[in-house]
Parts: sequence; structure tokens; C-alpha cells
Amino acid sequence: EAQVTQNPRYLITVTGKKLTVTCSQNMNHEYMSWYRQDPGLGLRQIYYSMNVEVTDKGDVPEGYKVSRKEKRNFPLILESPSPNQTSLYFCASRRGLGDNEQFFGPGTRLTVL
Amino acid sequence: GEDVEQSLFLSVREGDSSVINCTYTDSSSTYLYWYKQEPGAGLQLLTYIFSNMDMKQDQRLTVLLNKKDKHLSLRIADTQTGDSAIYFCAETLYSSASKIIFGSGTRLSIRP
Repeated sequence: EAQVTQNPRYLITVTGKKLTVTCSQNMNHEYMSWYRQDPGLGLRQIYYSMNVEVTDKGDVPEGYKVSRKEKRNFPLILESPSPNQTSLYFCASRRGLGDNEQFFGPGTRLTVL
Repeated sequence: GEDVEQSLFLSVREGDSSVINCTYTDSSSTYLYWYKQEPGAGLQLLTYIFSNMDMKQDQRLTVLLNKKDKHLSLRIADTQTGDSAIYFCAETLYSSASKIIFGSGTRLSIRP
């Protein structure tokens, strides 16, 4: 089944404790991105990647890192999480820039105390 | 600037039509999208329209685009309880195909 998976689905952590949210897609898509969803703000793009070893900042990259060592995986790293990073995070992928259908993962709800 | 706006809530009676509206500010949009988010799930692309089209119909869904007023709408005919969700309007711009700009989402609730 074609899908985007994220782990963990739920995470409660404390300020300053490094964490990684994994994202994996099995569709051989080139383009992957991370969003955060906050009430009243819709989805805002954190980082995106157009292919292996090619990543770029989205609208709200501060406090986040990403890597794209393999085509299928695009982990989101919070080196020192803070309470303002409490949010719902979505990973998404699409075949390429010209492709209109973007597939979303199920989301990761992160709480930083 | 880039901005996509939607009202936050809409309540309709089961069997009626739902119309969800969206306005955007950037006239260089190439594609405009409607996504659906069901509780506890990610976003699912419902439909999209190219910016040189006025209308697109797909079964119970009708998308209308008024480029002059920068207004996009999604009409759901014969609304069912399974249509309860948050609906997001989104656009990509000619200048930045890597970026999809989302509205804040409209929560559609269905009354019996």
C-alpha cells in the first residue's frame, strides 16, 4: 500500500531533550516536506527536500533540522525542543515538483513541557 | 504577499449543499487545491483546479474559481455525515512551485 508513515504518533517530552520524528514513504517520491499545524494558522512548511541530499528551509525552520540521506526517509530533528514547538506535525511527499498530488502522513502530536 | 483565508466554521444540515469559501491574495497562483482532514488523520487531496479554469466538477464536488476576485469555493452536494472534516484551501505560486500555501481550514459539521 502506498503510504507515508511517521513515528512516533504521539510524544510528550521536556524542554531541551533532543528528539527525532521519522518519516518514510514507499512511493519513490523525490519531493518531501514537513509541516506543522497549529489552531487558526493552517499548515506551515518547516523544511522541504527536492531529492537526496537537497534540503531547503520553508516558512518556519527555526529550531528544526532535517536530513535526506536516502530517498525514502526524511527525519525531522529538534535539537533542543521548546514549548512553542508543541504542535501537530505532518510529513508529506509527492513524486516531483510538477506533481499536484501530495500524500500526507498521519501526523505526530508533540507536546514539549 | 501570500495569504490564503477561510472562515473557521460551517454547519449544514444533512442532505443540504455545503459551500466552503476561500480567498487568496497572490494573483500568480498556478494551482488551487482543496484538501480534507478527517479527525486524527493527515490531509487528503480532494480536488484541484488550474488557475486558467473557472470550474471543475467531480461527482458531488464542484470547485468554482473567480480569478478577478481571487475567490475559490468548494460546493459539496447532498452533504453526508462522512463529510464532517476540516477542509483546507491551498495554492501554489508560479514563482515557487516548491511551496504550497495553506489556509487555516474550515471545520464542517453536519446537523441531522
